[in-house]
Amino acid sequence: AQSVAQPEDQVNVAEGNPLTVKCTYSVSGNPYLFWYVQYPNRGLQFLLKYITGDNLVKGSYGFEAEFNKSQTSFHLKKPSALVSDSALYFCAVRDYGGSQGNLIFGKGTKLSVKP
Amino acid sequence: DADVTQTPRNRITKTGKRIMLECSQTKGHDRMYWYRQDPGLGLRLIYYSFDVKDINKGEISDGYSVSRQAQAKFSLSLESAIPNQTALYFCATSNRYGNTIYFGEGSWLTVV
Repeated sequence: AQSVAQPEDQVNVAEGNPLTVKCTYSVSGNPYLFWYVQYPNRGLQFLLKYITGDNLVKGSYGFEAEFNKSQTSFHLKKPSALVSDSALYFCAVRDYGGSQGNLIFGKGTKLSVKP
Repeated sequence: DADVTQTPRNRITKTGKRIMLECSQTKGHDRMYWYRQDPGLGLRLIYYSFDVKDINKGEISDGYSVSRQAQAKFSLSLESAIPNQTALYFCATSNRYGNTIYFGEGSWLTVV
């Protein structure tokens, strides 16, 4: 069965420092991987996805993610964090099982960026 | 205007009452979904629909029902609400290839 794991419940970063939010996955075929962000009292917004091609995927708001097949990871990164990046981040993988096309989500990582 | 609109955005209801959450989309997508978000559990799929005549149960469908009234409309019902159905509910859509799912703003439901 497909699954994703976000090993950190919370990540704390100082403004201006680089940030990484970790995600590992388990799939039976080629992975379709996604990152979403949820700002307080808002819905989920799509950040970026990996389907095929370049292992470094660039997305919205200056975020990028690196696909690493050997480590089955898809970590979200940003070179210089902003206070406004503080939010809840979800990694997701496309389900190849019964609900094809659906996404299976990790439990989320709360990112806190301090001034 | 939002591409995926949910109503109501907030609702408090009593145990045993019937409640309906409505969702409409202007993206022209075939597929629609209902998810539930609980703290520390991420998002879990309740029901999904690939088109008007194709509705399927997700991971946690017990206690819920859905109706796909049109391509653009997908409603979620709690026939007899219970307190552990207190959660944030999201409607979402995707095209038939399902590569990217787009979410509504969410509906906060509190069952007292």
